[in-house]
Amino acid sequence: GAVVSQHPSWVICKSGTSVKIECRSLDFQATTMFWYRQFPKQSLMLMATSNEGSKATYEQGVEKDKFLINHASLTLSTLTVTSAHPEDSSFYICSAILVLGNEQFFGPGTRLTVL
Amino acid sequence: GDSVTQMEGPVTLSEEAFLTINCTYTATGYPSLFWYVQYPGEGLQLLLKATKADDKGSNKGFEATYRKETTSFHLEKGSVQVSDSAVYFCALTSDSGYSTLTFGKGTMLLVSP
Repeated sequence: GAVVSQHPSWVICKSGTSVKIECRSLDFQATTMFWYRQFPKQSLMLMATSNEGSKATYEQGVEKDKFLINHASLTLSTLTVTSAHPEDSSFYICSAILVLGNEQFFGPGTRLTVL
Repeated sequence: GDSVTQMEGPVTLSEEAFLTINCTYTATGYPSLFWYVQYPGEGLQLLLKATKADDKGSNKGFEATYRKETTSFHLEKGSVQVSDSAVYFCALTSDSGYSTLTFGKGTMLLVSP
């Protein structure tokens, strides 16, 4: 099956710093990638949808200036958490699809802890 | 809006026991329903799906039937194995594709030898 990787798998940073998380489709080209956030014992919440070469579409309540998404190529999307605060600590998961409407393939997630 | 409710875990079973993980949903229209599984350290994987009422999804010994009358999609397996230990997510999408998934909170299954 299709493989999606995320890097790093976990990161600890100081409050006020920025953190970049990468999502890569390893064996297919992804026209669309999704970013989710998961709090402990909570559902995965969709943050944004990104299409290669265009601006991401953010869900209501997600600050686009705080969570910068770049989908520069068909195999890579990045999420940058800017000026991180402890409340941004969470599990961030990406997924990718080949063509809109097909199955989403999920990455293993990135655990972010902001001190 | 759409929502998915699944039983809280962890569910702890002995090997070869029968498994049921309950899932109910609220959605407009006619959603497609999914079960995803997340093994430790790995990404979510699609386990099974059903796209219309009375459909039964099945894979790896797991089954779930789309019950529109009870808005449910309970996951079952007749005989669990230690290797089935994972977190299981129920999810739905109300549009024609997979582009917008609404997830339940996930249920951890722990199977002991």
